[in-house]
Amino acid sequence: QKEVEQDPGPLSVPEGAIVSLNCTYSNSAFQYFMWYRQYSRKGPELLMYTYSSGNKEDGRFTAQVDKSSKYISLFIRDSQPSDSATYLCAMSASSGYSTLTFGKGTMLLVSP
Amino acid sequence: EPEVTQTPSHQVTQMGQEVILRCVPISNHLYFYWYRQILGQKVEFLVSFYNNEISEKSEIFDDQFSVERPDGSNFTLKIRSTKLEDSAMYFCASESPGSYGYTFGSGTRLTVV
Repeated sequence: QKEVEQDPGPLSVPEGAIVSLNCTYSNSAFQYFMWYRQYSRKGPELLMYTYSSGNKEDGRFTAQVDKSSKYISLFIRDSQPSDSATYLCAMSASSGYSTLTFGKGTMLLVSP
Repeated sequence: EPEVTQTPSHQVTQMGQEVILRCVPISNHLYFYWYRQILGQKVEFLVSFYNNEISEKSEIFDDQFSVERPDGSNFTLKIRSTKLEDSAMYFCASESPGSYGYTFGSGTRLTVV
């Protein structure tokens, strides 16, 4: 079983839709969870960082963690064409100076 | 906003040649990393570096790879004898103590022919 699983998509939605992106993981040592956005041929850009089960909101983005189910989600409200990118989940066993394990990324396409 | 800068953005090299990928991390960051992403694959950890030494390396990071921080600003990844399968995007990242998450550079696309 792969450590971090993420549906690669593509996920196509109309502008204004609510988007749900998800990852599952198998390693219970993972305690810190991140979502990165990656535009084509660019480096990953950190969007959200969470470390406890529950929800964390930042503007149009909400990150949700369920450690009991080993399942994390990123919700994007009022999606915009500029949100079109690949979204990577990443996780680590410790905070600060730690190795990240990434999902494969989900490609999101938001059409005007 | 501070950035991690990587050069070159694209490098084409012949199989068996040595390449050096360069990175300038954010100035007050202390932890440095290299990751790579083969086209269509996951971003994979290569190596972490702190206090002028390697802290952790993956099984990908074999004897053909080395890292160096030759001065106070640059952080380099050297591949001694490139193979076709080394073709990938290579990302440098840096992190400051107490921060949440890394800052990645835009990457160097390495093509081995």
